[in-house]
Amino acid sequence: DGGITQSPKYLFRKEGQNVTLSCEQNLNHDAMYWYRQDPGQGLRLIYYSQIVNDFQKGDIAEGYSVSREKKESFPLTVTSAQKNPTAFYLCASSIFPGLDYGYTFGSGTRLTVV
Amino acid sequence: GQNIDQPTEMTATEGAIVQINCTYQTSGFNGLFWYQQHAGEAPTFLSYNVLDGLEEKGRFSSFLSRSKGYSYLLLKELQMKDSASYLCAVEANAGKSTFGDGTTLTVKP
Repeated sequence: DGGITQSPKYLFRKEGQNVTLSCEQNLNHDAMYWYRQDPGQGLRLIYYSQIVNDFQKGDIAEGYSVSREKKESFPLTVTSAQKNPTAFYLCASSIFPGLDYGYTFGSGTRLTVV
Repeated sequence: GQNIDQPTEMTATEGAIVQINCTYQTSGFNGLFWYQQHAGEAPTFLSYNVLDGLEEKGRFSSFLSRSKGYSYLLLKELQMKDSASYLCAVEANAGKSTFGDGTTLTVKP
């Protein structure tokens, strides 16, 4: 079955540490996205990529980095420069152009700073 | 900038009808989405409106008025499993969606 896989489901980060969240899709979607969700709030866009080897900053890119070396993979690194990283991180993919079916989301990674 | 407004919370009774409103002011508009998100889970796609009017999908319908910057999601014959957050999202630029904060719907017996 096609879908998006995010790992790990739960992640704990120490102060000053970089961590990488994995996102893999087998839907053959061109576009991939990373969103952050804080309690009681909507999704805020961190980075997005519409084609391999290219990506764009979203609304809250500071303290994060991404790569898109393969169509199937879009890992997100949360760096030590991100001062408040505790949140629920969602990866999504879509056909591009044309979003008639919206985004397909992964099951999310819950990151906590300890 | 982008601004999307939805009510924070709504409560309705099982079997009833509920309408969740969304108003938006964005620098562009390609389409409007509604997603359902159960607590602790990822959002799932419900509907997509590009043109003005009503789109019906079973118990769920979504309406769009581009001139008014307004949409609503209509849920009929409410079931307990419909208790969730409902997210309105606008695709203002190609392939990039901005989300509202979501409306938490509680369905009571």
